[in-house]
Amino acid sequence: DTGVSQDPRHKITKRGQNVTFRCDPISEHNRLYWYRQTLGQGPEFLTYFQNEAQLEKSRLLSDRFSAERPKGSFSTLEIQRTEQGDSAMYLCASSFPSSSGDSYEQYFGPGTRLTVT
Amino acid sequence: EDQVTQSPEALRLQEGESSSLNCSYTVSGLRGLFWYRQDPGKGPEFLFTLYSAGEEKEKERLKATLTKKESFLHITAPKPEDSATYLCAVHPDTGRRALTFGSGTRLQVQP
Repeated sequence: DTGVSQDPRHKITKRGQNVTFRCDPISEHNRLYWYRQTLGQGPEFLTYFQNEAQLEKSRLLSDRFSAERPKGSFSTLEIQRTEQGDSAMYLCASSFPSSSGDSYEQYFGPGTRLTVT
Repeated sequence: EDQVTQSPEALRLQEGESSSLNCSYTVSGLRGLFWYRQDPGKGPEFLFTLYSAGEEKEKERLKATLTKKESFLHITAPKPEDSATYLCAVHPDTGRRALTFGSGTRLQVQP
C-alpha cells in the first residue's frame, strides 16, 4: 500500500494558461475524489468517480474544469484558462468499500499546490 | 444544506494539558463523521470514523466521541508532535459521496 500519489506537487502558471494534474489512487480503490482547499479552509468537494464513471460534480466545477479517469485507475484534473482565483491546493482522495459494507474513509494524497500569477 | 462548524479556530496548549475540540454539524441524516489530521503543506491524514450517537474511538492520545449534533476530539496529555490542524467532515445520508468539511482547529502544543 503505497498511498495516494499526486503529480506535480507544485505548479506555478500564468493567468490564462491551461494546467493538468494527475492522481494515482491506492491500488484497487475503485472510488476517487477531487477536492480543492484554500488557506484556512477545509477541503471542498469537486468531483467523484466510481471506476471510470464520473458520478458527482460540484457546482464549484465550472466549465473550465474537467476531470477524467479513463481506465478506472489514475485520474487527471484539467483547468483551462486559469484565473487567479484558481490558486489553491488540489487534493485527490480514494476509497474502497469494506468487507462489512460501504466504507467511507477517504484517504488523501499530498496535494498539488497551484499558484496562478 | 449540510454545515460543519469547528471550534475553537485555534488552540494553544502546554505539553500535557488536556483539552477538547468541537465539531457541530447539521445534516439531513448522518452516514458517517470523520476526523482528519493535516500538517502544513500536506494532505489530510485519516484518524477516525464515527457512525452513530454514543460511539467512541481511541488512538493513542486521541479519543473521538459522537452525539446527534456534535462530535468531540479529546486530546489527553498532548505532545508537541500533536501540533496540526484537525479537520472534521460529515457524510450525509443522501446517497452522495461528497464529504463536507469544517474549517478545522489549528492546534499548537508547546513544550
